[in-house]
Amino acid sequence: AQSVTQLDSQVPVLEEAPVELRCNYSSSVSVYLFWYVQYPNQGLQLLLKYLSGSTLVKGINGFEAEFNKSQTSFHLRKPSVHISDTAEYSCAVTPWGNTPLVFGKGTRLSVIA
Amino acid sequence: SAVISQKPSRDICQRGTSLTIQCQVDSQVTMMFWYRQQPGQSLTLIATANQGSEATYESGFVIDKFPISRPNLTFSTLTVSNMSPEDSSIYLCSVDPGVAQETQYFGPGTRLLVL
Repeated sequence: AQSVTQLDSQVPVLEEAPVELRCNYSSSVSVYLFWYVQYPNQGLQLLLKYLSGSTLVKGINGFEAEFNKSQTSFHLRKPSVHISDTAEYSCAVTPWGNTPLVFGKGTRLSVIA
Repeated sequence: SAVISQKPSRDICQRGTSLTIQCQVDSQVTMMFWYRQQPGQSLTLIATANQGSEATYESGFVIDKFPISRPNLTFSTLTVSNMSPEDSSIYLCSVDPGVAQETQYFGPGTRLLVL
């Protein structure tokens, strides 16, 4: 079975500052990795995903994440955040193949002016 | 991609009653999933609903409490039965388009409050 740990439930950050949201996973098999974002009063949407290849993946809105197999991590980063990045960010994994996603508890990013 | 709608978007219910949540997809999909997100918790899979077969429930979820229907490839319902305040949660429908290396898509969710 797979599990996902997001160590930070809330991350406040000043506008234009960099941010890193941490995600660690546990799995006995290879996995696909995802970050989803949920803006206030909106549904979940895919931010980025790692399937294979380059360990640095770029997503929408200037976010990127790096897959580190040895540390079983998939941390999300943005060099300069905006007020509009305030949202709930959830990390998820699934084993290769068509199986449902397993989610972490999410991290609420609050960008302060 | 897939566009998913859910009804109702939110509801307030009395304990002991039941609520049926509908999920409509704009394309035919084989695999549909129902998730629950309780306050402060992760999105947790309730069951997988494939058309033409009975839903498969995850540990801790039973059919009597969360009966699911999947009459065709674009529609599913989840019923939350005999509700208690502990059922207050957001319920989300999700689909896997079945395209290689494509991810799941999620509906907007149904926010349920049980009094």
